[in-house]
Amino acid sequence: GDSVTQMEGPVTLSEEAFLTINCTYTATGYPSLFWYVQYPGEGLQLLLKATKADDKGSNKGFEATYRKETTSFHLEKGSVQVSDSAVYFCALRTGNQFYFGTGTSLTVIP
Amino acid sequence: NAGVTQTPKFQVLKTGQSMTLQCAQDMNHEYMSWYRQDPGMGLRLIHYSVGAGITDQGEVPNGYNVSRSTTEDFPLRLLSAAPSQTSVYFCASSYADYYEQYFGPGTRLTVT
Repeated sequence: GDSVTQMEGPVTLSEEAFLTINCTYTATGYPSLFWYVQYPGEGLQLLLKATKADDKGSNKGFEATYRKETTSFHLEKGSVQVSDSAVYFCALRTGNQFYFGTGTSLTVIP
Repeated sequence: NAGVTQTPKFQVLKTGQSMTLQCAQDMNHEYMSWYRQDPGMGLRLIHYSVGAGITDQGEVPNGYNVSRSTTEDFPLRLLSAAPSQTSVYFCASSYADYYEQYFGPGTRLTVT
């Protein structure tokens, strides 16, 4: 079945470090791919998305490129801030269902 | 716009009790869904609806019922609560099934 596998956490980085969170997927057809972010005590918020191969989603300095050949959608940011501390979820949509990864907790220390 | 609202924020139930988690959205979204979030398992889809009067099962539907009588509301019913249903429940909506989803703040449910 369709699924998402993302990098285990937790991840701890110093401020201004480079961030990569890996995400790979298994899907039939042509899924859309998403990254969501969850701050403590809140619901998930859309961070970025890509709807077809080679699309790059970007928002707030975060980027991810839809790579069909490697079935990946890795999240990157060049310089993280303390305010980026949160849990990040990779997700895919096929048909009318969404599938989420298990989440990666990121802590950024000053 | 209030977005997606959920009530209650917290709930404690005893095994065997029933209750309804409320979800409402004011964005005129057709697609609504319920997820549960458990440690190490991410979000799992319980039920979803593509419009008023239409519902379908997700990945983990057992023990839960839903109905969609209006576009705005999508309540989730626990028929006979079990400790395995202790979780955080999120409701989400989107304009259509191929758009990104907007999430409510969640309901933390504990079943003792």
